Amino acid sequence: DAKTTQPTSMDCAEGRAANLPCNHSTISGNEYVYWYRQIHSQGPQYIIHGLKNNETNEMASLIITEDRKSSTLILPHATLRDTAVYYCIVETSGSRLTFGEGTQLTVNP
Amino acid sequence: ETGVTQSPTHLIKTRGQQVTLRCSSQSGHNTVSWYQQALGQGPQFIFQYYREEENGRGNFPPRFSGLQFPNYSSELNVNALELDDSALYLCASSPGPSGLTDTQYFGPGTRLTVL
Repeated sequence: DAKTTQPTSMDCAEGRAANLPCNHSTISGNEYVYWYRQIHSQGPQYIIHGLKNNETNEMASLIITEDRKSSTLILPHATLRDTAVYYCIVETSGSRLTFGEGTQLTVNP
Repeated sequence: ETGVTQSPTHLIKTRGQQVTLRCSSQSGHNTVSWYQQALGQGPQFIFQYYREEENGRGNFPPRFSGLQFPNYSSELNVNALELDDSALYLCASSPGPSGLTDTQYFGPGTRLTVL
C-alpha cells in the first residue's frame, strides 16, 4: 500500500508560489518526509527532507503539520524550469526510496 | 549535474537476451542503488550495494543481479529479458551506509527497450 497520497496534477503561474500537498496519515515516528522531483527524461533530483520541524533550503520549504499526517512543499517563486513530477516519500532511511506516482506540476507562463 | 553517470543512454534488446547496464558514482559514495521506472510510473527499488556487498533488495526476481566495484562503478545485469523489462533504469549513489537519511544522487538513466 502507498504510504503517501498526492494530487495527480497541479498548475501554477510563473512567479507565483507553488504549494504541493502530500498526505501521509500512517507515518510512524522514525519516518522522514522526503521530496524529490523528476524533470522529463532526467533522473530524480533531491529537493528537501524533514522529520517534524519545518525546513527550508535554497530550493524550497517543507511544512509538516504538527501531527505529521500531512506536509506541503512550497516553491516560493515557480519558474518554467520547475515543471516536473514531484514525489513525496516517507521512509526511515533515505537510501531506499519507495516512489509513488507523484504530482505533475506544470508552471505556465 | 549530480556527478553520477550511466551508460549506455539507450539500448535495444530482444526477448531472452542478457543486458549489462553501467553506473559511475561520485567519488567517495559507498552506496549505490538501482531503480526501474516503467513509463508513466515512479521508480521502483531493485537493489542496493554498500561497499561491494548487496545490502537490500526489492521485489525483483534473481535474474536481476548487480555488482559494485572499488572504483565507485557498478553494474546491473538482467538475464532472460522479458518485454516487461522495457523501462528506464536509474542508479543512485549516496555517501553513507544504508540506514542514514542520505541524499540520493541519481544518474540520467538508461532507456532499455525489449522487443
